[in-house]
Amino acid sequence: QSVLTQPPSASGTPGQRVTISCSGSSSNIGSYAVNWYQQLPGTAPKLLIYSDDQRPSGVPDRFSGSKSGTSASLAISGLQSEDEADYYCAPWDDSLNGVVFGGGTKLTVL
Amino acid sequence: QVQLVQSGAELKKPGASVKVSCKASGYTFTSYAIHWVRQAPGQRLEWMGWINAGNGDTKYSQNFQGRVTLTRDTSATTAYMELSSLKSEDTAVYYCARNVLGTTQLDYWGQGTLVTVSS
Repeated sequence: QSVLTQPPSASGTPGQRVTISCSGSSSNIGSYAVNWYQQLPGTAPKLLIYSDDQRPSGVPDRFSGSKSGTSASLAISGLQSEDEADYYCAPWDDSLNGVVFGGGTKLTVL
Repeated sequence: QVQLVQSGAELKKPGASVKVSCKASGYTFTSYAIHWVRQAPGQRLEWMGWINAGNGDTKYSQNFQGRVTLTRDTSATTAYMELSSLKSEDTAVYYCARNVLGTTQLDYWGQGTLVTVSS
């Protein structure tokens, strides 16, 4: 069981906007930047958002991140079929003294 | 371009050890850290530890303390993860990932190495 809570699943239709939440505590999200990773089926994770709301080069601006207190969110607008993947939030954690991953959210594009 | 290429799949018996390699290219190896993350079948990602490729400093997750050893060979620009006393629960895909020192994001990942532990 992860110290970060994500909904196990989310869904939307093409073109819709979907939001995935990540709830933590003062030892992780409340104190450190949140990174988000996208894992397409059968592939390695890919950095999607870093430092709460920054997109690496090549990541479409349809993906955005935000943080407030001990919670963070990933928003995907203009949903596309290729967005179907697992999404993980991952801040640093003081208790673990390392990276902690959320339980992951499986996004389905209907 | 930055690449992390990992060694191939392994089949091990319970109690044995496994050593996975992660060959880095396309950047200055010693200016970054390498983290190791594993994923059991159908499960979430789990952080194992990291090594500063420059000075060799390491930090391990408490969940693996005593069983995991991270090393690197700067001349070969390769990082290694060795896990000992393997159990069936260690069956997972093991990933290496690059990290900019002083930050927390893992910006490039290896393709993963499947380690199967079975008698």
